[in-house]
Amino acid sequence: GESVGLHLPTLSVQEGDNSIINCAYSNSASDYFIWYKQESGKGPQFIIDIRSNMDKRQGQRVTVLLNKTVKHLSLQIAATQPGDSAVYFCAQTSGNTPLVFGKGTRLSVIA
Amino acid sequence: SAVISQKPSRDICQRGTSLTIQCQVDSQVTMMFWYRQQPGQSLTLIATANQGSEATYESGFVIDKFPISRPNLTFSTLTVSNMSPEDSSIYLCSVERFSLAGSYNEQFFGPGTRLTVL
Repeated sequence: GESVGLHLPTLSVQEGDNSIINCAYSNSASDYFIWYKQESGKGPQFIIDIRSNMDKRQGQRVTVLLNKTVKHLSLQIAATQPGDSAVYFCAQTSGNTPLVFGKGTRLSVIA
Repeated sequence: SAVISQKPSRDICQRGTSLTIQCQVDSQVTMMFWYRQQPGQSLTLIATANQGSEATYESGFVIDKFPISRPNLTFSTLTVSNMSPEDSSIYLCSVERFSLAGSYNEQFFGPGTRLTVL
């Protein structure tokens, strides 16, 4: 079946540095990928998405990279701030199938 | 984005009882979903709440344990029946809405209901 996993369960980053969160997926039919941020006591919040016809997409301070050859997805956060501390999930879907979530990475920003 | 509210935000319940969680969204949406997030874990889809028909359950989840209603396009309920401590979890409502910017639907999440079963 489908699975989405992460390489690093926890990540500590110095404030101001860049953060990179990685995600591997197994379903080559997946064509839409999303990164969510979940702060303590809240529901997941949409950060950025990317379709399979792209390999890079940029938002405000965030960039998502997609490597379909090795089925790898990453989220880069520039100039990491204390407010970025949260758990980050990647999720994937293909067409009308429900989202499949990865295990999550906890990002801790050290001031 | 869609504004989603859930009631209750948290509850502590006794073993063997049932709890109904409500989800209200501020606009009509195509799809509504219920997820479970156990402590320190990722999100697992319980079911898709279908308007006007029975919910579609994922493997490992059954209607007798998690009955779901969706009477209209903005409201749904999830009941956790005959609870046990293993049901302690966060239950999240999610909605999907068609994005005018693309051909895919955007999915948003409510704040969650934190359930503790003693």
